[in-house]
Amino acid sequence: GAGVSQSPRYKVAKRGQDVALRCDPISGHVSLFWYQQALGQGPEFLTYFQNEAQLDKSGLPSDRFFAERPEGSVSTLKIQRTQQEDSAVYLCASSLTGTGPLNQHFGDGTRLSIL
Amino acid sequence: DQQVKQNSPSLSVQEGRISILNCDYTNSMFDYFLWYKKYPAEGPTFLISISSIKDKNEDGRFTVFLNKSAKHLSLHIVPSQPGDSAVYFCAASVMDSNYQLIWGAGTKLIIKP
Repeated sequence: GAGVSQSPRYKVAKRGQDVALRCDPISGHVSLFWYQQALGQGPEFLTYFQNEAQLDKSGLPSDRFFAERPEGSVSTLKIQRTQQEDSAVYLCASSLTGTGPLNQHFGDGTRLSIL
Repeated sequence: DQQVKQNSPSLSVQEGRISILNCDYTNSMFDYFLWYKKYPAEGPTFLISISSIKDKNEDGRFTVFLNKSAKHLSLHIVPSQPGDSAVYFCAASVMDSNYQLIWGAGTKLIIKP
């Protein structure tokens, strides 16, 4: 497809379980971003990759959150020992270059529910 | 500490009339502002932006106004159409770190036929 693809669209997990969320960016896009959107709130920045390099992870809320993009294309956001406050929509965006917020293209998100 | 605030959770407007969505910010370092539109179960899509060197930017039915002294921006949609019904997010950026967007909580716009 032409857009950013995220999977799964919905994920339900029990508290304490580990989850992995996948993002397939637009082909050829250098930069990749992860955001967390809580119910009724705007997205909040989590982390940013340029190719395979994670240049900014200042938004990751705890060391239970880990993101990788080993080959500079597909990215995975992993959450270990999930807690109820991790319930949110996780959005991935990609951009052709590393600059310009105008150029971020978003996927439809993964809705994560922790029971 | 919310740096970008959208104080109206929802707004209802008659089709054909003007919709005005408001956004306030607190960080004077912000120098680039964007509006995104979001339909249910979809990701946000870019709508219109404005640099802090301007006070107005227009694109078809959409106009964004920036008042730097008041740290306030607004999005005007005229005329409003049923397809405009969505959640609208205001976002801000500092150009030195221009990939990091700071988002408001969104305003749900409902266009009544």
